[in-house]
Amino acid sequence: GQNIDQPTEMTATEGAIVQINCTYQTSGFNGLFWYQQHAGEAPTFLSYNVLDGLEEKGRFSSFLSRSKGYSYLLLKELQMKDSASYLCAGTNAGKSTFGDGTTLTVKP
Amino acid sequence: DAGITQSPRHKVTETGTPVTLRCHQTENHRYMYWYRQDPGHGLRLIHYSYGVKDTDKGEVSDGYSVSRSKTEDFLLTLESATSSQTSVYFCAIQEGTYSNQPQHFGDGTRLSIL
Repeated sequence: GQNIDQPTEMTATEGAIVQINCTYQTSGFNGLFWYQQHAGEAPTFLSYNVLDGLEEKGRFSSFLSRSKGYSYLLLKELQMKDSASYLCAGTNAGKSTFGDGTTLTVKP
Repeated sequence: DAGITQSPRHKVTETGTPVTLRCHQTENHRYMYWYRQDPGHGLRLIHYSYGVKDTDKGEVSDGYSVSRSKTEDFLLTLESATSSQTSVYFCAIQEGTYSNQPQHFGDGTRLSIL
């Protein structure tokens, strides 16, 4: 199968940095997406990695190691509005397989 | 704005009745998807389409059928709804035709089967 694993919940403090990990079986995916989903809303695209390394987009960065089947999403300078679920998704041939999401709670 | 509209946004119906959900897009994207999202299960792919009259099954397709007779519309049908199909349903489109393009989601349909 192509299971994607990520922690169920995380808590962090406003202004801090948090890293959300995602692991997957190394075969079958040719890229990794990260999406953000606020409660009661649709997911929105955050970041994409197809090559190994770090992709930076403002306060958000995503890292991929294809040989290790490992990705992470790094959120810097956390704000209260970053409280949301973060979904990792592997993609292949036009289809995405999603992890169950990590619910991040940012506290003052 | 990816121009995706789902209808209805909310629906309550009874077990055994047929239900059709509609996804409409305004930008002629080739790839369209139907997902369901349940607590603790993330997004699971039901069916997807890569063009008019070209559809394929996802990981949780049992009990569902789809049709795509026009580029802009992708319909999801529950022929005989069951309580296990109570869920939030999201439609999505993919930009372009390569796997490295993100998906954009509609606002979802909250479906309750009593």
